[in-house]
Amino acid sequence: AQTVTQSQPEMSVQEAETVTLSCTYDTSENNYYLFWYKQPPSRQMILVIRQEAYKQQNATENRFSVNFQKAAKSFSLKISDSQLGDTAMYFCAFIMGGSNYKLTFGKGTLLTVNP
Amino acid sequence: DAGVIQSPRHEVTEMGQEVTLRCKPISGHDYLFWYRQTMMRGLELLIYFNNNVPIDDSGMPEDRFSAKMPNASFSTLKIQPSEPRDSAVYFCASSLATGGAQYFGPGTRLLVL
Repeated sequence: AQTVTQSQPEMSVQEAETVTLSCTYDTSENNYYLFWYKQPPSRQMILVIRQEAYKQQNATENRFSVNFQKAAKSFSLKISDSQLGDTAMYFCAFIMGGSNYKLTFGKGTLLTVNP
Repeated sequence: DAGVIQSPRHEVTEMGQEVTLRCKPISGHDYLFWYRQTMMRGLELLIYFNNNVPIDDSGMPEDRFSAKMPNASFSTLKIQPSEPRDSAVYFCASSLATGGAQYFGPGTRLLVL
């Protein structure tokens, strides 16, 4: 079974600084996708970024980027120029390719951006 | 394009009552998912559909829970009878057949007294 581990239950960062959230996963599959979701206090689950396992290039979305290390099964999220609106719970998630569409979520990291 | 739409956004009911949660997926998406989120158990997948057909309902807690998808643009999750332990935020999500990204609705916050 696939597992996703987020080892940092809580983190904080000063506004405008950079922060990295860590995520590791365990799978024997070679074809899969990884995601970061953000859940602000409104409870809405928002897709932040997506990475295909077969792509070596790290995904980037504006201030959000990932460091995908396939051999190490690591998928960290870097947030640059942190903003107050980035305060949220961040979930790392994994899904296998093919016909299995079950998302496996980590337990989340609560990020607080301080003014 | 509108995102996933859920209704109601908040529901307060008394134990024993029937509760129906509604979801409209993103147009063109082949897959629809129902999740439940609690502090204790985190996000749990309850059931998912492909082209309106239930594929995996192994996450449905018990017979009190049922889900239907009568057409590509509408799904319901019903709890009958409801119990206090069903209190949670229920999310609906949808995705395309490829790529795996699931897009979530705003959720329904359910409180069973």
